[in-house]
Amino acid sequence: GENVEQHPSTLSVQEGDSAVIKCTYSDSASNYFPWYKQELGKRPQLIIDIRSNVGEKKDQRIAVTLNKTAKHFSLHITETQPEDSAVYFCAAPNSGYSTLTFGKGTMLLVSP
Amino acid sequence: ETGVTQSPTHLIKTRGQQVTLRCSSQSGHNTVSWYQQALGQGPQFIFQYYREEENGRGNFPPRFSGLQFPNYSSELNVNALELDDSALYLCASSLEGGPNTGELFFGEGSRLTVL
Repeated sequence: GENVEQHPSTLSVQEGDSAVIKCTYSDSASNYFPWYKQELGKRPQLIIDIRSNVGEKKDQRIAVTLNKTAKHFSLHITETQPEDSAVYFCAAPNSGYSTLTFGKGTMLLVSP
Repeated sequence: ETGVTQSPTHLIKTRGQQVTLRCSSQSGHNTVSWYQQALGQGPQFIFQYYREEENGRGNFPPRFSGLQFPNYSSELNVNALELDDSALYLCASSLEGGPNTGELFFGEGSRLTVL
Protein backbone atom coordinates (compact mmCIF):
# COMPACT_ATOMS: atom_id res chain seq x y z
CA GLY A 1 0.00 0.00 0.00
CA GLU A 2 0.87 3.68 -0.10
CA ASN A 3 3.38 5.07 2.43
CA VAL A 4 3.27 8.80 3.19
CA GLU A 5 5.99 10.59 5.14
CA GLN A 6 5.45 14.15 6.40
CA HIS A 7 7.94 16.71 7.77
CA PRO A 8 8.33 18.56 10.03
CA SER A 9 6.18 17.26 12.85
CA THR A 10 6.02 20.72 14.43
CA LEU A 11 6.60 24.15 12.92
CA SER A 12 6.63 27.49 14.74
CA VAL A 13 6.62 30.76 12.78
CA GLN A 14 5.99 34.41 13.43
CA GLU A 15 2.86 36.02 12.05
CA GLY A 16 3.52 37.17 8.50
CA ASP A 17 6.23 34.58 7.82
CA SER A 18 5.85 31.74 5.32
CA ALA A 19 5.45 28.09 6.29
CA VAL A 20 6.35 25.05 4.20
CA ILE A 21 5.36 21.45 4.95
CA LYS A 22 6.71 18.58 2.86
CA CYS A 23 5.46 15.08 2.12
CA THR A 24 6.81 12.11 0.21
CA TYR A 25 4.84 9.16 -1.11
CA SER A 26 5.79 5.72 -2.34
CA ASP A 27 3.30 4.69 -5.04
CA SER A 28 4.26 6.18 -8.41
CA ALA A 29 0.71 5.53 -9.66
CA SER A 30 -0.79 7.97 -7.14
CA ASN A 31 -2.49 10.85 -8.90
CA TYR A 32 -4.29 12.90 -6.23
CA PHE A 33 -2.68 14.78 -3.33
CA PRO A 34 -4.86 16.65 -0.84
CA TRP A 35 -3.99 18.68 2.23
CA TYR A 36 -6.27 18.76 5.27
CA LYS A 37 -6.35 21.20 8.17
CA GLN A 38 -7.55 19.99 11.56
CA GLU A 39 -8.17 22.47 14.34
CA LEU A 40 -8.23 21.23 17.92
CA GLY A 41 -11.29 19.06 18.52
CA LYS A 42 -12.57 19.54 14.97
CA ARG A 43 -12.87 17.43 11.84
CA PRO A 44 -10.14 17.42 9.16
CA GLN A 45 -11.13 19.82 6.39
CA LEU A 46 -9.76 19.90 2.86
CA ILE A 47 -7.90 23.13 2.20
CA ILE A 48 -6.29 22.44 -1.17
CA ASP A 49 -5.56 19.51 -3.45
CA ILE A 50 -3.62 18.82 -6.62
CA ARG A 51 -3.89 16.19 -9.31
CA SER A 52 -0.92 14.76 -11.13
CA ASN A 53 -1.51 16.60 -14.40
CA VAL A 54 -0.29 19.91 -12.89
CA GLY A 55 2.81 20.92 -10.94
CA GLU A 56 1.40 23.74 -8.83
CA LYS A 57 -1.91 25.05 -7.61
CA LYS A 58 -2.65 28.24 -5.68
CA ASP A 59 -5.60 29.46 -3.64
CA GLN A 60 -5.03 32.87 -2.10
CA ARG A 61 -2.33 32.43 0.60
CA ILE A 62 -1.91 28.69 0.17
CA ALA A 63 -0.28 26.73 -2.62
CA VAL A 64 0.70 23.14 -3.28
CA THR A 65 3.56 22.00 -5.48
CA LEU A 66 4.04 18.49 -6.83
CA ASN A 67 7.18 16.78 -8.11
CA LYS A 68 6.10 13.42 -9.54
CA THR A 69 9.62 12.39 -10.48
CA ALA A 70 10.84 12.76 -6.93
CA LYS A 71 7.47 11.65 -5.48
CA HIS A 72 7.06 14.59 -3.16
CA PHE A 73 4.61 17.43 -2.70
CA SER A 74 4.60 20.48 -0.47
CA LEU A 75 2.17 22.90 1.15
CA HIS A 76 3.14 26.57 1.18
CA ILE A 77 1.36 29.12 3.36
CA THR A 78 2.35 32.75 2.91
CA GLU A 79 1.65 35.70 5.22
CA THR A 80 0.72 33.35 8.05
CA GLN A 81 -1.90 34.44 10.56
CA PRO A 82 -2.65 33.13 14.08
CA GLU A 83 -5.81 31.44 12.76
CA ASP A 84 -3.58 29.28 10.55
CA SER A 85 -2.47 27.50 13.74
CA ALA A 86 -3.66 23.90 13.44
CA VAL A 87 -2.48 20.42 12.49
CA TYR A 88 -1.99 19.91 8.76
CA PHE A 89 -2.13 16.49 7.11
CA CYS A 90 -1.02 15.48 3.65
CA ALA A 91 -2.47 12.38 2.00
CA ALA A 92 -2.19 10.18 -1.08
CA PRO A 93 -4.53 7.54 -2.51
CA ASN A 94 -4.41 3.93 -1.33
CA SER A 95 -3.50 1.78 -4.30
CA GLY A 96 -6.64 0.54 -6.01
CA TYR A 97 -9.05 2.38 -3.75
CA SER A 98 -10.62 5.80 -3.72
CA THR A 99 -9.53 6.35 -0.15
CA LEU A 100 -6.45 7.96 1.35
CA THR A 101 -3.33 7.27 3.36
CA PHE A 102 -2.47 10.20 5.62
CA GLY A 103 0.82 11.52 6.89
CA LYS A 104 1.34 11.84 10.63
CA GLY A 105 0.62 15.55 10.61
CA THR A 106 2.42 18.84 11.19
CA MET A 107 1.44 21.05 14.09
CA LEU A 108 1.78 24.64 12.88
CA LEU A 109 1.93 27.38 15.51
CA VAL A 110 1.76 30.98 14.33
CA SER A 111 2.77 33.47 17.01
CA PRO A 112 1.43 37.05 16.90
CA GLU B 1 -26.55 20.10 1.04
CA THR B 2 -26.30 18.01 4.20
CA GLY B 3 -22.85 17.28 5.55
CA VAL B 4 -21.53 14.10 7.14
CA THR B 5 -23.01 13.45 10.56
CA GLN B 6 -21.82 10.96 13.18
CA SER B 7 -23.23 9.64 16.41
CA PRO B 8 -22.58 9.43 19.24
CA THR B 9 -20.07 12.25 19.63
CA HIS B 10 -18.54 10.85 22.80
CA LEU B 11 -18.78 7.53 24.57
CA ILE B 12 -17.04 5.56 27.29
CA LYS B 13 -16.81 1.77 27.32
CA THR B 14 -14.92 -0.83 29.31
CA ARG B 15 -12.56 -3.49 28.02
CA GLY B 16 -14.32 -6.43 26.40
CA GLN B 17 -17.48 -4.50 25.55
CA GLN B 18 -18.83 -3.87 22.07
CA VAL B 19 -19.57 -0.54 20.42
CA THR B 20 -21.52 0.64 17.36
CA LEU B 21 -20.81 3.99 15.75
CA ARG B 22 -23.06 5.54 13.11
CA CYS B 23 -22.53 7.78 10.12
CA SER B 24 -24.80 9.52 7.65
CA SER B 25 -23.01 10.39 4.44
CA GLN B 26 -23.16 13.72 2.68
CA SER B 27 -26.12 14.08 0.34
CA GLY B 28 -25.35 12.49 -3.02
CA HIS B 29 -22.31 10.55 -1.80
CA ASN B 30 -22.31 6.77 -2.29
CA THR B 31 -19.09 5.76 -0.55
CA VAL B 32 -18.18 5.78 3.12
CA SER B 33 -14.73 5.32 4.65
CA TRP B 34 -13.93 4.89 8.31
CA TYR B 35 -10.73 6.10 9.94
CA GLN B 36 -9.23 5.75 13.42
CA GLN B 37 -7.30 8.76 14.71
CA ALA B 38 -5.28 8.15 17.85
CA LEU B 39 -4.16 11.18 19.84
CA GLY B 40 -1.42 13.06 18.00
CA GLN B 41 -1.56 10.83 14.93
CA GLY B 42 -2.96 11.02 11.43
CA PRO B 43 -6.16 9.21 10.51
CA GLN B 44 -5.61 5.49 9.86
CA PHE B 45 -7.80 3.80 7.24
CA ILE B 46 -10.04 1.07 8.66
CA PHE B 47 -12.28 0.17 5.70
CA GLN B 48 -14.45 1.55 2.96
CA TYR B 49 -17.98 0.69 1.86
CA TYR B 50 -19.40 1.15 -1.62
CA ARG B 51 -22.83 -0.08 -2.69
CA GLU B 52 -23.24 -1.90 0.62
CA GLU B 53 -20.07 -3.97 0.13
CA GLU B 54 -16.69 -3.65 1.81
CA ASN B 55 -14.43 -2.14 -0.82
CA GLY B 56 -11.04 -2.16 0.85
CA ARG B 57 -9.64 -2.66 4.31
CA GLY B 58 -6.67 -1.35 6.23
CA ASN B 59 -4.56 -3.17 8.79
CA PHE B 60 -7.29 -3.71 11.41
CA PRO B 61 -8.38 -7.05 12.95
CA PRO B 62 -11.71 -8.74 12.14
CA ARG B 63 -13.28 -7.47 15.37
CA PHE B 64 -13.62 -4.19 13.46
CA SER B 65 -16.59 -4.66 11.14
CA GLY B 66 -19.05 -2.48 9.32
CA LEU B 67 -22.19 -2.12 7.30
CA GLN B 68 -23.53 0.21 4.67
CA PHE B 69 -27.26 0.64 4.17
CA PRO B 70 -29.22 1.35 0.97
CA ASN B 71 -29.38 5.06 1.87
CA TYR B 72 -25.52 5.00 2.03
CA SER B 73 -25.39 5.52 5.79
CA SER B 74 -22.95 3.26 7.61
CA GLU B 75 -22.08 1.64 10.91
CA LEU B 76 -18.74 0.71 12.45
CA ASN B 77 -18.82 -2.09 15.01
CA VAL B 78 -15.94 -2.96 17.29
CA ASN B 79 -16.10 -6.12 19.40
CA ALA B 80 -14.01 -7.11 22.42
CA LEU B 81 -12.81 -3.56 23.02
CA GLU B 82 -9.19 -3.03 24.04
CA LEU B 83 -7.59 -0.03 25.72
CA ASP B 84 -5.75 0.83 22.47
CA ASP B 85 -9.10 1.24 20.70
CA SER B 86 -9.46 4.58 22.48
CA ALA B 87 -9.43 7.12 19.64
CA LEU B 88 -11.43 9.49 17.51
CA TYR B 89 -13.33 7.53 14.86
CA LEU B 90 -13.90 9.53 11.73
CA CYS B 91 -16.36 8.77 8.98
CA ALA B 92 -15.74 10.27 5.55
CA SER B 93 -18.03 10.19 2.56
CA SER B 94 -17.14 10.57 -1.09
CA LEU B 95 -18.61 10.13 -4.55
CA GLU B 96 -17.07 7.10 -6.19
CA GLY B 97 -16.51 7.38 -9.90
CA GLY B 98 -17.07 11.10 -10.20
CA PRO B 99 -14.60 13.65 -11.58
CA ASN B 100 -13.46 14.45 -8.05
CA THR B 101 -12.83 10.87 -6.97
CA GLY B 102 -10.64 10.89 -3.91
CA GLU B 103 -12.13 13.93 -2.20
CA LEU B 104 -13.20 12.98 1.30
CA PHE B 105 -15.65 14.91 3.46
CA PHE B 106 -15.29 14.13 7.15
CA GLY B 107 -17.77 14.08 9.97
CA GLU B 108 -16.92 15.53 13.38
CA GLY B 109 -16.06 12.08 14.68
CA SER B 110 -16.99 9.85 17.60
CA ARG B 111 -14.54 9.96 20.48
CA LEU B 112 -14.31 6.55 22.11
CA THR B 113 -12.66 6.05 25.48
CA VAL B 114 -12.04 2.48 26.65
CA LEU B 115 -11.38 2.04 30.37
